[in-house]
Amino acid sequence: EPEVTQTPSHQVTQMGQEVILRCVPISNHLYFYWYRQILGQKVEFLVSFYNNEISEKSEIFDDQFSVERPDGSNFTLKIRSTKLEDSAMYFCASTGQHTNTGELFFGEGSRLTVL
Amino acid sequence: RKEVEQDPGPFNVPEGATVAFNCTYSNSASQSFFWYRQDCRKEPKLLMSVYSSGNEDGRFTAQLNRASQYISLLIRDSKLSDSATYLCVVNQAGTALIFGKGTTLSVSS
Repeated sequence: EPEVTQTPSHQVTQMGQEVILRCVPISNHLYFYWYRQILGQKVEFLVSFYNNEISEKSEIFDDQFSVERPDGSNFTLKIRSTKLEDSAMYFCASTGQHTNTGELFFGEGSRLTVL
Repeated sequence: RKEVEQDPGPFNVPEGATVAFNCTYSNSASQSFFWYRQDCRKEPKLLMSVYSSGNEDGRFTAQLNRASQYISLLIRDSKLSDSATYLCVVNQAGTALIFGKGTTLSVSS
């Protein structure tokens, strides 16, 4: 069964460092998302991406964050100058149609720990 | 006001019990509604969509009341494997899914 894959599964970094989280969405999907979940909190929307551009972003997704689809398969989230409060599980998701009609397929997540 | 609010839980029930979760949403423009399931330290997975007329999938029944902006999930004959956090999810047309904080269910033998 096709699945969304994410790397790394866990990354530990020092405050102020840059982090890149990688995702390979399901191959025929067109819409891509990043969500995050701080431990014990709800799943929060960060950004959606379609047709090689951001289609929507939340207040959380400030200038510290960026996304890129550098080739036909990878979808990356870059966090510049990480802060302690960036520690969370980051989930990538994809769908073949927009979310109001389709199911979001999530990867297993990348746990980011900022020290 | 939170966009999606759920029963705080946790719900601790014996096997075979019937349990109901409630959810309210604040944005009357919301158009699509879902229940997702999240196991501990795992990714969310779609459990079922919620339709205006209500819908059933095996032991699971979902109801939507647009006037009250209220969604429910009923689980009958609970199994140990139903233990998880159940996430109420809504969105407007063309926007990303908004998740509730979830309600934790623990089914014991």
